[in-house]
Amino acid sequence: GDSVTQMEGPVTLSEEAFLTINCTYTATGYPSLFWYVQYPGEGLQLLLKATKADDKGSNKGFEATYRKETTSFHLEKGSVQVSDSAVYFCALSESNAGNMLTFGGGTRLMVKP
Amino acid sequence: DTGVSQDPRHKITKRGQNVTFRCDPISEHNRLYWYRQTLGQGPEFLTYFQNEAQLEKSRLLSDRFSAERPKGSFSTLEIQRTEQGDSAMYLCASSFGGRYTDTQYFGPGTRLTVL
Repeated sequence: GDSVTQMEGPVTLSEEAFLTINCTYTATGYPSLFWYVQYPGEGLQLLLKATKADDKGSNKGFEATYRKETTSFHLEKGSVQVSDSAVYFCALSESNAGNMLTFGGGTRLMVKP
Repeated sequence: DTGVSQDPRHKITKRGQNVTFRCDPISEHNRLYWYRQTLGQGPEFLTYFQNEAQLEKSRLLSDRFSAERPKGSFSTLEIQRTEQGDSAMYLCASSFGGRYTDTQYFGPGTRLTVL
């Protein structure tokens, strides 16, 4: 079955540091890939997505590139802010499997001033 | 567009009681999904509807769980004879599904605590 593995947290960074959160996946077909973010006390929000190989998703300074050869979708940001502190979830869905999302376990990011 | 809403936001119940949660999707979204999230974990798929038809159910959805989506609008998730292991956040998401992958938008969730 499909699965998503992401680096365990928490990840603690100082403001303006570079962020990478690793995500790798296993899928039977050609999935779409997503990053969702969950801020404290709030629901899951879509951060970015990519639907085919070599696509780059980007939003709010975050980027991730769909790498089929390494089955990866790592999240990056060049300069984090305190307001980026949240839990980040990598996920995939397959259109031939009802489009239900398969999530990784989440990575908590803590950004200190 | 007010987004996906869920009610109640919090529910505390005693073991053995029945509970029902409601989800109102974004209007005109034809797909509706239920997920369960336990503390420190990612959400896990439970079931999904396309319009009023329930098309997929996870093995996580035991016989004590039932979901409906009458008329293809709002949905309810009922848990009968609750157990302490049912304590979790129950998330609803909706999307406008076409031929290809759609984007799911999540509600705030209903946090269930079974005492």
